[in-house]
Amino acid sequence: AQTVTQSQPEMSVQEAETVTLSCTYDTSENNYYLFWYKQPPSRQMILVIRQEAYKQQNATENRFSVNFQKAAKSFSLKISDSQLGDTAMYFCALKYQGGSEKLVFGKGTKLTVNP
Amino acid sequence: DGGITQSPKYLFRKEGQNVTLSCEQNLNHDAMYWYRQDPGQGLRLIYYSQIVNDFQKGDIAEGYSVSREKKESFPLTVTSAQKNPTAFYLCASSGQFRLDTQYFGPGTRLTVL
Repeated sequence: AQTVTQSQPEMSVQEAETVTLSCTYDTSENNYYLFWYKQPPSRQMILVIRQEAYKQQNATENRFSVNFQKAAKSFSLKISDSQLGDTAMYFCALKYQGGSEKLVFGKGTKLTVNP
Repeated sequence: DGGITQSPKYLFRKEGQNVTLSCEQNLNHDAMYWYRQDPGQGLRLIYYSQIVNDFQKGDIAEGYSVSREKKESFPLTVTSAQKNPTAFYLCASSGQFRLDTQYFGPGTRLTVL
């Protein structure tokens, strides 16, 4: 079975500072993708960043970057220069080839950016 | 604009009634999905469809039904057999390749009165 674990239910950070959200996963598959989604108070799920497991280079999207440690099955999200608009639930998710088409989600981390 | 629309945004249902949630996409995506979100939990897959006229059960399909008569549309019916239907429902779609990114609609909040 594939599982995704987010061990930090809530986090907070001051505006303009950097914060890292943790995610670990378990899968026996070799070909999979990892995703971070953001869910603001509007509840729309928004893709933040994705990482292909076969790529060693960590993905980066503007202020968002990941630290992908394949052997440790770890996939953390770093948010630099935090902004008030980053306040949201953040979900880590796994999608693998060969099974059903679903995304396997963690339970989420509630991030609050304080002014 | 390309995207996924869901309607209605809020839906109230009396016990014993069936209700249908709408999901439409104009992204030309082959695959579509329905997820349920409960407080303090991640999303759980209800049903998915990879092609028109075909769909598969997800992890929590009991009490739900779907159809896929058109590529653009994937409505979800919450039947009276669903014991605890109050939740937030999210529709998603993705391209033809299995590992394509899923994009989500804005969701429907269903409340049973």
